[in-house]
Amino acid sequence: DVKVTQSSRYLVKRTGEKVFLECVQDMDHENMFWYRQDPGLGLRLIYFSYDVKMKEKGDIPEGYSVSREKKERFSLILESASTNQTSMYLCASSPPAGLAGIIYEQYFGPGTRLTVT
Amino acid sequence: TQLLEQSPQFLSIQEGENLTVYCNSSSVFSSLQWYRQEPGEGPVLLVTVVTGGEVKKLKRLTFQFGDARKDSSLHITAAQPGDTGLYLCAGRIYNQGGKLIFGQGTELSVKP
Repeated sequence: DVKVTQSSRYLVKRTGEKVFLECVQDMDHENMFWYRQDPGLGLRLIYFSYDVKMKEKGDIPEGYSVSREKKERFSLILESASTNQTSMYLCASSPPAGLAGIIYEQYFGPGTRLTVT
Repeated sequence: TQLLEQSPQFLSIQEGENLTVYCNSSSVFSSLQWYRQEPGEGPVLLVTVVTGGEVKKLKRLTFQFGDARKDSSLHITAAQPGDTGLYLCAGRIYNQGGKLIFGQGTELSVKP
């Protein structure tokens, strides 16, 4: 059974703290993604990675950084957490896009609900 | 800028009713997916549509990709309480690799 796991389901941090969210996939996928999900806004892409040590900014990268040292692991880092980063964070992985623009399924982890106080 | 507009945002219906969720854009997508998310879980893929005008059926769910590849719809026949959840459409724009653009989501509640 394919699996994407996230290090924590719930996390409470204080403003200014450095926060690490870890994601591990066991499907040998090249692509990995970090999203944040807020009511009425759907999923917004923070960063994605096509390969080890490769990263690209998504739509809302400000205040975040990422690390991908191994193919199966993709970490999201909040350098100095702020209250407006309180959200649900979802990690996903997928094979690379196919020919003719066909996209493969993105497999999601269960999410980390982060509260910054 | 929201490239994919999903409507309605909320839908509360009785068991047995039919419903349609819409996903619209001014952009052309090379392919489009629908996901369903239950509380406390990540989204799970329902279907991928690729060809303009394509229709796919998954039991009581019917998915359609617009002829111009700018819009899609999800129709549920005789909804059941087990259909309750958040439905998300997601599209891939040409030459954007594996990156997806997600709609805002439709929160569906089916009451017995």
